[in-house]
Amino acid sequence: GAVVSQHPSRVICKSGTSVKIECRSLDFQATTMFWYRQFPKQSLMLMATSNEGSKATYEQGVEKDKFLINHASLTLSTLTVTSAHPEDSSFYICSANGGQITDTQYFGPGTRLTVL
Amino acid sequence: GENVEQHPSTLSVQEGDSAVIKCTYSDSASNYFPWYKQELGKRPQLIIDIRSNVGEKKDQRIAVTLNKTAKHFSLHITETQPEDSAVYFCAASISGGYNKLIFGAGTRLAVHP
Repeated sequence: GAVVSQHPSRVICKSGTSVKIECRSLDFQATTMFWYRQFPKQSLMLMATSNEGSKATYEQGVEKDKFLINHASLTLSTLTVTSAHPEDSSFYICSANGGQITDTQYFGPGTRLTVL
Repeated sequence: GENVEQHPSTLSVQEGDSAVIKCTYSDSASNYFPWYKQELGKRPQLIIDIRSNVGEKKDQRIAVTLNKTAKHFSLHITETQPEDSAVYFCAASISGGYNKLIFGAGTRLAVHP
């Protein structure tokens, strides 16, 4: 099946700093990737849809200036949490449609962000 | 927009019993319904999916049924095993386009030996 990687797997940062998370499709090209946030014992909440070569589409309530998304190539999307605060601490997961099987979304392993 | 409700939030069964998780969706245009299994601290793993042109799909001990008229779909796990213990999420999307998945709240399944 399609493989999606994410880096880093875990990051701890100080309040006010920015953190970049990378999402890569390893064996297929993904024109569309998705970014989710998951708080403990909660569901996956879609933050934004990332499209290669164009601006991301953000869900209602997600601050586009705080969560910067760049999808510069068909295999890489990045999420930058700017001026992170403790309330941004969460599990961030990306996903991508699995190449030719456009309906199926494959998820990355997630990034655990802790803001001190 | 689409809204997906999932029940129950927790489910406890004895090994060998069946488990059923139910979801309802609001957008009649939704036509793709995947189910994901997530173990603690790990990524969601697709376990089965169904499209709106099919009423039922089965894969070994796992089956999904879809009632388009009532806008609900269910996951059935038979002969449960302790390794089935995890959080299960249903989701709905409109196939094609950006295929945005909207997830249910999740069901924490515990299978006791």
